[in-house]
Order: sequence, then C-alpha cells, then structure tokens
Amino acid sequence: NAGVTQTPKFRVLKTGQSMTLLCAQDMNHEYMYWYRQDPGMGLRLIHYSVGEGTTAKGEVPDGYNVSRLKKQNFLLGLESAAPSQTSVYFCASSFRDPPRFFGPGTRLTVL
Amino acid sequence: DQQVKQNSPSLSVQEGRISILNCDYTNSMFDYFLWYKKYPAEGPTFLISISSIKDKNEDGRFTVFLNKSAKHLSLHIVPSQPGDSAVYFCAASELGSGGGADGLTFGKGTHLIIQP
Repeated sequence: NAGVTQTPKFRVLKTGQSMTLLCAQDMNHEYMYWYRQDPGMGLRLIHYSVGEGTTAKGEVPDGYNVSRLKKQNFLLGLESAAPSQTSVYFCASSFRDPPRFFGPGTRLTVL
Repeated sequence: DQQVKQNSPSLSVQEGRISILNCDYTNSMFDYFLWYKKYPAEGPTFLISISSIKDKNEDGRFTVFLNKSAKHLSLHIVPSQPGDSAVYFCAASELGSGGGADGLTFGKGTHLIIQP
C-alpha cells in the first residue's frame, strides 16, 4: 500500500502559468481533500470530494479547480498562478469525514 | 477570527517526562476534535480524536482530555520520547450537526521538542 501520494513534490511557477497537482490513493477511500498550509498557519481546506464525480468548495477555493474523474485520483488545478498561491499543498483521503490520511505535500512557489 | 487556538507555538520537554499540548476553541458547535502530528517535509498523521460525548480518550502513550465548559482540550504524551518531536495540530469539527469536510478547522500548531 502506497497510501496517499502526491505529484510533483516541488514546483516553481511564474505568475500566470498553469499547473495540475495530482493526488492518488490506493485505499478505496470515498472522501478526498485538498488543503494548503501557509507559514505559521493551520491547514485550510481548498476543495473536497465525497465520491467519484463529485466536488465541493472548501474554505479557500478561489483560483483553484478540481476534478475527481476516478475514485482513486483527485486533481487540483491552478489556471493562472499568483504569488498568493505560494504554499505547501496537502492531499488527504478517508472513508468518511474527517480526513485521516495525508500525502507528503507539494511545495509550490509562484514567482 | 480564529476558532481553534494553540497559544504555544513551541514547547520543550525532557525525554521521559509528560508533554501537555493545549488547544482552545470558541465555537460551541464543535463536537469532534482531533490531533494530528506532523514531521518536517511530511504530511500530517492522524493521532487521536475525541467526541464531545466523552471527556477523555486514551491510546497508548497518548491521552486527550476535553473540557467542554472551558472549551479546552489537551493532549498528554507520557512518557515523552525523542520521536515525539514534531508539530502537533489540533482540529475541530461540527460533525454531529452535519458540518462535513468543510467544517474541520485547524489550529496553527505547536512545535514539540523532546530534549534528551
């Protein structure tokens, strides 16, 4: 079992560029989440999904889009990156709320 | 407005002694509380949780206490070990009232340092 994996681990973008972060889980979990963590802050929920084909907004959804086309994958997209999106992004999954298993994180810098 | 507060950014404890991490909350609708542990360059790991119908939950060296009237919870680690050095996040949810995933609110974390 790989658990929750995230791709890539690090990325540097220029303002206005786009990218997709991939989260994969092999535990057959229904619930998947995307969080961001900024320095000195707790984790904040961006978007989440309660099953294949479903998505919902979290606390800080602006500037992000998500898709859950397959149960095991949850994609987070940035259409036009901004410096305010510099952060560490964590994906998580669970059978139900709240999130129990987190990925190792993606460190994103937007210049 | 910070609904979940961890007022100690860091805590240093000697190996073998008890570590007590504190967390306060302001939202009386919170009814489920969790602690996560995070090592550098890794994702958070779920540690222990407690429902508001209990005032204590124990799992090995870890015990969480909940004082609903004071809106306060604490995590006790006994005895503290070097591998416990990490950042600990407190989180709260309105699970019973259907808060769902977007109802999980995290504190800013406390960096626990276990000294040999």
